[in-house]
Amino acid sequence: GDSVTQTEGQVTVSESKSLIINCTYSATSIGYPNLFWYVRYPGEGLQLLLKVITAGQKGSSRGFEATYNKEATSFHLQKASVQESDSAVYYCALSDRGSALGRLHFGAGTQLIVIP
Amino acid sequence: GPKVLQIPSHQIIDMGQMVTLNCDPVSNHLYFYWYKQILGQQMEFLVNFYNGKVMEKSKLFKDQFSVERPDGSYFTLKIQPTALEDSAVYFCASSLVGVISNERLFFGHGTKLSVL
Repeated sequence: GDSVTQTEGQVTVSESKSLIINCTYSATSIGYPNLFWYVRYPGEGLQLLLKVITAGQKGSSRGFEATYNKEATSFHLQKASVQESDSAVYYCALSDRGSALGRLHFGAGTQLIVIP
Repeated sequence: GPKVLQIPSHQIIDMGQMVTLNCDPVSNHLYFYWYKQILGQQMEFLVNFYNGKVMEKSKLFKDQFSVERPDGSYFTLKIQPTALEDSAVYFCASSLVGVISNERLFFGHGTKLSVL
């Protein structure tokens, strides 16, 4: 079945430093999946950060970027300069094109802590 | 922005009893979802619901589970009877268009269910 693997546990980065959270996927459904990054800020519900539906394309939002690499089956999340307000839990996900309404498969989540 | 509300945020119940988790989705949304996250594990798809019907369910959606949205009110997840392994955080989500169309999901904060 479809699955997502991302950087485990917690990542601690100093403010203004760069960030990368790794995400790789396995998709057995027909074609190739749509890829997403969701984020949960403290005290808030899970929300979409960015999505990419075409291989080779890059998505970006709030200074974060992720490129859909079909050859490497990767969708790493990067930011050049993090801020304290970026502290949150980040989830990589893919949508299952084999399902009627496109169920999402999530990674385990990566907690980002930005130190001022 | 649009919000999905889940009530209550935490529910404690004795094994074998019935529990109903309530979700107030975004008002004009048509597609509804439940996801389950056991502590320390990935968030996993349970069920999606459209036009008054379950469209898809995963193997986690046991016979003891049911969903409904009577008269366009709350979207509910009922577990009857509950088992110890049902202890988890349950997330409700809604979308205007199904995820297969690349539409974003809006998630609630989750209801933590503790089965004793």
